[in-house]
Amino acid sequence: GAGVSQSPRYKVAKRGQDVALRCDPISGHVSLFWYQQALGQGPEFLTYFQNEAQLDKSGLPSDRFFAERPEGSVSTLKIQRTQQEDSAVYLCASSRSGMGTGELFFGEGSRLTVL
Amino acid sequence: GQQVMQIPQYQHVQEGEDFTTYCNSSTTLSNIQWYKQRPGGHPVFLIQLVKSGEVKKQKRLTFQFGEAKKNSSLHITATQTTDVGTYFCAGLDSNYQLIWGAGTKLIIKP
Repeated sequence: GAGVSQSPRYKVAKRGQDVALRCDPISGHVSLFWYQQALGQGPEFLTYFQNEAQLDKSGLPSDRFFAERPEGSVSTLKIQRTQQEDSAVYLCASSRSGMGTGELFFGEGSRLTVL
Repeated sequence: GQQVMQIPQYQHVQEGEDFTTYCNSSTTLSNIQWYKQRPGGHPVFLIQLVKSGEVKKQKRLTFQFGEAKKNSSLHITATQTTDVGTYFCAGLDSNYQLIWGAGTKLIIKP
């Protein structure tokens, strides 16, 4: 597609439910990032993939968060046993180059609300 | 840990006034990128600066990267309503991690 696509755009979950957020990056982009953005805050880094390899997951807040990019294209961020503090917009970004050295293209984000 | 401090958090200006946001890093950066996020939108890339002392212009926007590659600024001349949004800097550190500033929100006074 022309840009980074994320789904769902909006997700409401009950506390304790598992959720899966999908990111479809720009075709051919090597790098893929996941960020969490709370209301009125800047993007907080979660994890980084170069192709299918997860090179950095230091930003994942707990072991309830898991991300994968098995074929080096589409990525899924999974949150298990959601908590209210997980409510945020989850942004995916891709880049043609590796390791944050080039322009990031962001998707529209997935807004998660945990009740 | 490594941080990029961005100030101010908010700036209220009259339309036609200038706007400036500043970013300072505790360590030397390989590059610095600037993004704009409109209300309800996602960050959109504006520019990347790589060289020490680099200055780049995009119409009314002027971007600077400090000589020591630890600070950067974005200056908008004669703001317009279309400039409203939050401006973020993001610096690439020596570990190839992109460190984001907290953003400066540009608000145009009615």
